[in-house]
Amino acid sequence: DQQVKQNSPSLSVQEGRISILNCDYTNSMFDYFLWYKKYPAEGPTFLISISSIKDKNEDGRFTVFLNKSAKHLSLHIVPSQPGDSAVYFCAASLTSGTYKYIFGTGTRLKVLA
Amino acid sequence: GAVVSQHPSWVICKSGTSVKIECRSLDFQATTMFWYRQFPKQSLMLMATSNEGSKATYEQGVEKDKFLINHASLTLSTLTVTSAHPEDSSFYICSARDFGVAGGVNNEQFFGPGTRLTVL
Repeated sequence: DQQVKQNSPSLSVQEGRISILNCDYTNSMFDYFLWYKKYPAEGPTFLISISSIKDKNEDGRFTVFLNKSAKHLSLHIVPSQPGDSAVYFCAASLTSGTYKYIFGTGTRLKVLA
Repeated sequence: GAVVSQHPSWVICKSGTSVKIECRSLDFQATTMFWYRQFPKQSLMLMATSNEGSKATYEQGVEKDKFLINHASLTLSTLTVTSAHPEDSSFYICSARDFGVAGGVNNEQFFGPGTRLTVL
C-alpha cells in the first residue's frame, strides 16, 4: 500500500517556465512534509519542507503548497533551470515517534534549454 | 554542516558472502539513523530505523537476520548484508537525524551518498 504517491513519473518543462510537481498522501496523521532532489547514484538532497500547520512555504525559487483537506502537496519551481533536471521525491513524516519518512514514487523532471 | 558519509560507495561481492556498509554523521550527533534501499527507477524504501544503543526497528517484510544493523555510537551505524544473493543487489542509502533538533519543527534527515551493492 503506497501511502505517498507521485502520479507523474516524468515531467518536461521549458527553461524559465514553472515546474509543478505533485504529491498525494493517504495518512491524515502525517504532519510534516519534505521535498528532496536526487541524482542517479547519489543520496537525496533536501530542498524544502512544510509543517501541517502551514499551507505554504517559500525558499527562493522553490515553493511548497499543502492542502490538508485534499491530502495533497505540490512543489513549484520558478523559474525552472536546466540544473533542476533530476528526480524529485516528496516525503511524509510524523513529528513524533520514530520520525521516519515515507517517500513517494518520484517524478523525473527534465528542464529543456 | 550536517554531512553524512557512507563507505564503501560501491561494492561487488560473490553470492553467499557478507558485506558491511558504514554510515557516519561527520559533524553532528545522530541518535537515530535510517537505512533505505532503492531499486532502479523506484522509490526509496525504508528498511529499518536504527537507534543508538538499542535494537533496530525493521519495516515489515525486511529480514532482520539478513540485514544486521548496529548503531554503536552517536556517529556510526552499520548495515551488514549477510549471505548476500543477487536479488540483494541494490542502492543502499542511510540517513541521520540531527540530535540537536530532535523533537523540533525541523524534522530533517541528512542523507549519505549511497552504496551500490552488486552481488554476482
